[in-house]
Amino acid sequence: DTGVSQDPRHKITKRGQNVTFRCDPISEHNRLYWYRQTLGQGPEFLTYFQNEAQLEKSRLLSDRFSAERPKGSFSTLEIQRTEQGDSAMYLCASSRDSGNEKLFFGSGTQLSVL
Amino acid sequence: SQKIEQNSEALNIQEGKTATLTCNYTNYSPAYLQWYRQDPGRGPVFLLLIRENEKEKRKERLKVTFDTTLKQSLFHITASQPADSATYLCALDSTGTASKLTFGTGTRLQVTL
Repeated sequence: DTGVSQDPRHKITKRGQNVTFRCDPISEHNRLYWYRQTLGQGPEFLTYFQNEAQLEKSRLLSDRFSAERPKGSFSTLEIQRTEQGDSAMYLCASSRDSGNEKLFFGSGTQLSVL
Repeated sequence: SQKIEQNSEALNIQEGKTATLTCNYTNYSPAYLQWYRQDPGRGPVFLLLIRENEKEKRKERLKVTFDTTLKQSLFHITASQPADSATYLCALDSTGTASKLTFGTGTRLQVTL
């Protein structure tokens, strides 16, 4: 069990640029989640995959955000035309497909939009 | 609207004492509640899960209670140590399907010698 891996750990970009983050979940976990966290707040749900199917998306996920999990393994989160308000920690988590399960989080990608 | 409240003020306690953190919620009927620990610059780490039909759950020095009438969970750390210093988050499942957890803002605990 190598844990959930996220890459990169830190990303600094200029406003208007596109960024992409990668998440590698724990290998036997079917479910994968993306959360966003700003300073002093708890993580906010963005989206959730069951295998390769994206089953739920938050209203926080504007049209500039897109997430994929093409083969049911790793996932990518892309933000197009970044804005300063996108600056946050983007957290990925995974869990087993049996309900009521704890989430295993990665260390996150810290995005700073200048 | 649905709301989860945790004390946003930091909790400072002395080593060896019991720390008690509170999580209150409104307009939820959660099937279960979870507690996580988060250290600066790291993702949350799962600690305990308690279901709606359970009053209390223990794990080593940790104890969680869940009162669905008061809509409140209490999280206790006994014999606290400086290594327990972190932010503690409570989280509720708002869908009943475990597909989405909603987190509180967290309470920062500082344990001093």
